[in-house]
This record gives sequence, structure tokens and C-alpha cells, in this order.
Amino acid sequence: EAGVAQSPRYKIIEKRQSVAFWCNPISGHATLYWYQQILGQGPKLLIQFQNNGVVDDSQLPKDRFSAERLKGVDSTLKIQPAKLEDSAVYLCASSLLAGKANIQYFGAGTRLSVL
Amino acid sequence: AQTVTQSQPEMSVQEAETVTLSCTYDTSESDYYLFWYKQPPSRQMILVIRQEAYKQQNATENRFSVNFQKAAKSFSLKISDSQLGDAAMYFCAYRTTSNSGYALNFGKGTSLLVTP
Repeated sequence: EAGVAQSPRYKIIEKRQSVAFWCNPISGHATLYWYQQILGQGPKLLIQFQNNGVVDDSQLPKDRFSAERLKGVDSTLKIQPAKLEDSAVYLCASSLLAGKANIQYFGAGTRLSVL
Repeated sequence: AQTVTQSQPEMSVQEAETVTLSCTYDTSESDYYLFWYKQPPSRQMILVIRQEAYKQQNATENRFSVNFQKAAKSFSLKISDSQLGDAAMYFCAYRTTSNSGYALNFGKGTSLLVTP
């Protein structure tokens, strides 16, 4: 079974530029999560999708971050314009359903450096 | 909001020895899940073990076991017969069951070094 795929693995941009990350969850997984992991900290949820609908985006900085999952499969997270404090690893995870017992499977993440 | 605290930024263990990683959490809920995830340098988070709050029996997965103390809100991970491949960041995480989100709430992590 293929895992959660993310690209790119690394991205370096200058502040005020825009950037996009892509995630393809495990086949059949209805729930998709985007987490931000700043160096030295644990991941923090940015947004959660159930199929193509948003379940929780309360911690997404909506003035600069956006995310979509148009067909309920793969997802894109965008930052525009980027700030220095956006430097982090962006992790995508998926689970079969959103139920309490469901395990989240993670991708390898995208490491973003904003200069 | 629930908080998860890992008080040990770094731990070291010798190969074949046993090590315990600590985790405490703060919640007013009675039903929830707790997890330990491992994050090697490759960055991919890997589930090590999970525990449902309603189950009194401590979870075990091969060399990994937990000591779940619900009243004390403590959830420690014991790694027995440590191997070089166990070296990684370990994150404790809490998941609520009270809303539809079910996102994970992580601690800051413990870096585990395994020496030969």
C-alpha cells in the first residue's frame, strides 16, 4: 500500500514570495490533515478536510494561507506572501475516517525555508 | 484546549538497555486517545503505540509499552532492549473524542540517542 505522498521535499524562497505544497493521501482515506512543525516543536494542525469539505481551519492564518481539496483526493496548501516565521516542515496526514480510533498516517513533509 | 508536556528534551540509552520517556497532559475530558509517534531524520511520523483512555490495561507493541496513569494524567513510553534504529524524536500526542475534528495535539518531543 502506497503511503502519503508529499512534494516537494524541500523549498527555499524569499520573504513575500508565494509557495505551494502538494499532498496525495493514502487511497481511500477520506480525512486529510495539514500540520505545521516549527523547529524544536511538535506538529500543529493547520487544517483538516473530510472528503472535500473543511472540518477545522481554526488555526490556519487565513490572511496568507489557503488550502483546497477540490476532488476529495489530493490537496494543495499555499502560502502567499510568505514570512520568515513560516519556515517550518509542513506535514500532511490522512486517515480512513475521522473517528476517534482512526490512525493518522503521515507523509515525509516539505521543509520550507524563508529567507 | 488540551496541553501535552514532554519534560525531557533529550534522553540517552545504551543499546540493549531500557529507557522511559515521560509525557503528561491536561484535559477535562474522560474519553480520549493518547499516542506515541516516532520521527526519524527522514521526518516521517510513525505511530509507535496508542492507548484509549477507557482501557485500564496498558498497551504494548513488541518492545514498546506504556504506563498510563489516568488520574495522574501521565502517559510514559518504555522502550525495552533498545536498538540503534530507535534513535529518533518521540512525540506524545492527545486526541479528543468530543468533536468532529479528531486532530492530534502534540508535545514538543524528546530526542532519544542510542549509544552502542
